[in-house]
Formats: sequence, structure tokens, C-alpha cells
Amino acid sequence: DAGVIQSPRHEVTEMGQEVTLRCKPISGHDYLFWYRQTMMRGLELLIYFNNNVPIDDSGMPEDRFSAKMPNASFSTLKIQPSEPRDSAVYFCASSPQGLKEKLFFGSGTQLSVL
Amino acid sequence: GENVEQHPSTLSVQEGDSAVIKCTYSDSASNYFPWYKQELGKGPQLIIDIRSNVGEKKDQRIAVTLNKTAKHFSLHITETQPEDSAVYFCAASPLYGTDKLIFGTGTRLQVFP
Repeated sequence: DAGVIQSPRHEVTEMGQEVTLRCKPISGHDYLFWYRQTMMRGLELLIYFNNNVPIDDSGMPEDRFSAKMPNASFSTLKIQPSEPRDSAVYFCASSPQGLKEKLFFGSGTQLSVL
Repeated sequence: GENVEQHPSTLSVQEGDSAVIKCTYSDSASNYFPWYKQELGKGPQLIIDIRSNVGEKKDQRIAVTLNKTAKHFSLHITETQPEDSAVYFCAASPLYGTDKLIFGTGTRLQVFP
């Protein structure tokens, strides 16, 4: 298996623009997680899905952030409009059995909002 | 809610020496404690985990110990090698509530040849 695939690897955009991050989880994994990593706040869980259904989005910082999982093999995290403080590395992870089991992380998307 | 503190933030050791990273947690109901290793430009990767029904777990050069009374757990790496150089994160998962994994702030380990 190729593992969790994220795209793009790097994204540079200007403040106010819409940003869409993409994730393909490992086939057969029922859980998908979006994390954000910054120096100040470390690794934060933004939202997670179970069987394509959002379970907990309490970590989504603002209404500017939204996430979807239209099918078992694809998820997006959208920021609209983007702000410089959104600059971070965004990770997608998947798991066959939830948070109390091994999470498989993608390589992340480095987002820079100018 | 759960809070996880991790120390030290940086650790430098000579190849062959041991390295120990410590974490404390606040929620006594937490019952799952994984450790992740993050290499430069990559996502975190699980290296070992422990559950609250055991006190110690070993996997080759890596071991984790858990003290539930004191609410702390530690990662031990013996016979360190340069490829062990990375950032290590501990995490704790509360038993109740929103079922989140709360990560520590990370330890940057450097192993010098």
C-alpha cells in the first residue's frame, strides 16, 4: 500500500485566497483525521471522520475551516478565506480502528499564507 | 481536559548511549499512551504504545514505562544510532469525553556519531 497520500506537498498563497488540501487514506481504514502542526501549538486534531461521517470537529479553529469526506478514499480540508496565521503543516492520518490504535500519517502539506 | 507535558525539548547523546524522554499527563482516566517519531519532512510514525493495564513494554532497543500513580510515562532508547535522530512525541488518550489524542510538545533527539 502506498500509505496516506496528501496533496499538494507545499502550498503558498496570498491572504484571502481559498486553499484546498487533499487526502487519500489507506484503503480499508474507517477513520480519517486532520491535524495541524505549528511550533507554538504542536500537533492539534482539527476534525475526524468515521465511515465518512464527521464525528468531532471541535478542533476546527473557525468557520473559515471546513472538511469533507465524500467517499471512503478521499477527503478535503478547505480554508476560505486564508490568513497568515493559518500557516502550518497540515497532516492527514488514517486508522483502521480509531484513536486508540496506530495512526498512519501522510507526509503533510506545508501551507504558507503570505 | 487532558494536558500532556514532555521533557526535555532537546536531547543530544553520543552514539551508543541511552536516551530517555519523559511525559506527564493530567487526566487519571487516560488509558492509551503512544509514542511517535517524526523525521524531517515526514509525518509522525508510531514506534511503540502502551495501555494502562501494563507497566512496561519493550520492542528491541525501545521501551516504554508507565506509572499510573504518578501519571507519567517514559520512552527509553538504548544503544542509540544516528538514525534515531528525530523529533519524538508522546500522547495520551482520555478514556471519556471526545476521545482525542493529546500530544506532547515534542523532543528533538540528536545522536552524534
